[in-house]
Amino acid sequence: GDSVTQMEGPVTLSEEAFLTINCTYTATGYPSLFWYVQYPGEGLQLLLKATKADDKGSNKGFEATYRKETTSFHLEKGSVQVSDSAVYFCALVTSTTSGTYKYIFGTGTRLKVLA
Amino acid sequence: NAGVTQTPKFQVLKTGQSMTLQCAQDMNHNSMYWYRQDPGMGLRLIYYSASEGTTDKGEVPNGYNVSRLNKREFSLRLESAAPSQTSVYFCASSEWTGAAQHFGDGTRLSIL
Repeated sequence: GDSVTQMEGPVTLSEEAFLTINCTYTATGYPSLFWYVQYPGEGLQLLLKATKADDKGSNKGFEATYRKETTSFHLEKGSVQVSDSAVYFCALVTSTTSGTYKYIFGTGTRLKVLA
Repeated sequence: NAGVTQTPKFQVLKTGQSMTLQCAQDMNHNSMYWYRQDPGMGLRLIYYSASEGTTDKGEVPNGYNVSRLNKREFSLRLESAAPSQTSVYFCASSEWTGAAQHFGDGTRLSIL
């Protein structure tokens, strides 16, 4: 079945370090891919998205490229800040044979950035 | 610019009690969702409503009921709460069921 796999956390980095959080997926058809971020005590917020192969989503210095050949959507940022400390969720939405849509979230990766 | 509003933010129940979680969105979205979030398990879909007047089961619907009261409001009811339903519950909405979702801040529910 359809699934999203994220790297296990927590990820601990020093400020200004380079960030990569891996995400791979399994899906039939052509899913749209998302990264959401969750700050403590809050709900998830959309960080970026990509709707077709080779699309690059970007926002607030974060980027992710939809790689159909490797079924991946890795999140990257060149220089992290303490304020980026949060839990990051990879997600996909795919259409079903009955015409509905199915949303699947990964288990989340906690990022901690140290000053 | 409220977005998605959930009430209450915190609640403690005893086993067997009933409770309704409320959710309202002001973005004129067609689709609404209820998730639960448990440690190490990410988000699991309980029920969703693709459009006003429709509801469908998600991954973990047992023990829950929902009502799409109107386009703005989507409530989640626990008829007889069980300790296994202790969780953080999130409501979300989107323009349509394949679009990016907007989340509320959650309801932290403990069942003793």
